[in-house]
Amino acid sequence: ILNVEQSPQSLHVQEGDSTNFTCSFPSSNFYALHWYRWETAKSPEALFVMTLNGDEKKKGRISATLNTKEGYSYLYIKGSQPEDSATYLCARNFGNEKLTFGTGTRLTIIP
Amino acid sequence: DGGITQSPKYLFRKEGQNVTLSCEQNLNHDAMYWYRQDPGQGLRLIYYSQIVNDFQKGDIAEGYSVSREKKESFPLTVTSAQKNPTAFYLCASCVREGDEQYFGPGTRLTVT
Repeated sequence: ILNVEQSPQSLHVQEGDSTNFTCSFPSSNFYALHWYRWETAKSPEALFVMTLNGDEKKKGRISATLNTKEGYSYLYIKGSQPEDSATYLCARNFGNEKLTFGTGTRLTIIP
Repeated sequence: DGGITQSPKYLFRKEGQNVTLSCEQNLNHDAMYWYRQDPGQGLRLIYYSQIVNDFQKGDIAEGYSVSREKKESFPLTVTSAQKNPTAFYLCASCVREGDEQYFGPGTRLTVT
């Protein structure tokens, strides 16, 4: 994998259901993996910065896991709520410098 | 309130004119970044600065210029040499390289 890739591109989930999506990235020279949430008409906001293989982080109903050896991270949302509707971006640090972003997963929660 | 501001929110310019987008932060962050977003693409890095009076080109620097005379400010100039300047521009900052980034609200630039 040459770039940071996110799947699916978009997702519609019923309120109350749980969901997850994927970020795939080149595993060589790994430094850190970032997840951001970008709500419409707002600024992107950091959710997690993950650095260690096997790392698992949680913030409320949202959690993320990291596998640096195989180059992927999963973001999980438990019991989706309308306020979870947003675009979720992941980005990888190459070395400790610039971030390379994926194109995002656009999540829509259906009431 | 600490934060990062960008102005204006919307900007319209005629082709051939240079335009400068403002980015200010009062978070005391060393590192600042400019990104561009186009439909269907991820955020792409234009320029970044790790310290005052120093900056580096990102992946798509052609047609853009920046300055970093003060820690708080990192203005971006879109020059007439930028072939497709119409886009959404986001500024970000962080304490140091590798840390989570704080984003401004963005400027949507339309050039006709």
